[in-house]
Amino acid sequence: AQSVAQPEDQVNVAEGNPLTVKCTYSVSGNPYLFWYVQYPNRGLQFLLKYITGDNLVKGSYGFEAEFNKSQTSFHLKKPSALVSDSALYFCAVREGNKLVFGAGTILRVKS
Amino acid sequence: SQTIHQWPATLVQPVGSPLSLECTVEGTSNPNLYWYRQAAGRGLQLLFYSVGIGQISSEVPQNLSASRPQDRQFILSSKKLLLSDSGFYLCAWRGSGGLSRHEQFFGPGTRLTVL
Repeated sequence: AQSVAQPEDQVNVAEGNPLTVKCTYSVSGNPYLFWYVQYPNRGLQFLLKYITGDNLVKGSYGFEAEFNKSQTSFHLKKPSALVSDSALYFCAVREGNKLVFGAGTILRVKS
Repeated sequence: SQTIHQWPATLVQPVGSPLSLECTVEGTSNPNLYWYRQAAGRGLQLLFYSVGIGQISSEVPQNLSASRPQDRQFILSSKKLLLSDSGFYLCAWRGSGGLSRHEQFFGPGTRLTVL
């Protein structure tokens, strides 16, 4: 079975500093990986995906993620964090018709 | 463009009452449809998914059921609600072809409180 792990329950970063939200995966075959963001009392919003091709994937709102096959990781990054980036972030991997989600990481950006 | 609707947005129901949550998708045909529950504002639990009209796959046996009476309509139901059914219910869709055939797109959610 495919799975993803988000090792940090919460990440704190100062506004203007770079941010990283970690995700590692365990799959058989080539992974299809995704990042989503959720603001309070809202549905999940799709940020970016890795299917194939370049290991650095650019997404919405200035976010990017780097697919690293040797480390089985797909960390979400942003060069300069904004207070408005504070939210719950989910990593996911596709398994057939379904997505398998990580437990989520709360990102807090302080001004 | 495609949009997904869920209603109601919030619902407060007594224990033992029935439930019906509706999800509809516009601007696409033959989507895969999904129901998730999110408890305590954190982890997502896949409840049901459907790859076509009348086709329902149940992921977790529980007090809920799902139906897909039309191509772009997905309904979550219960005959008798339990306290443990409280949570944030999310509907999602995935396209069957094209560039967006891998990711799922989520609706705004329904906040259900069972008292």
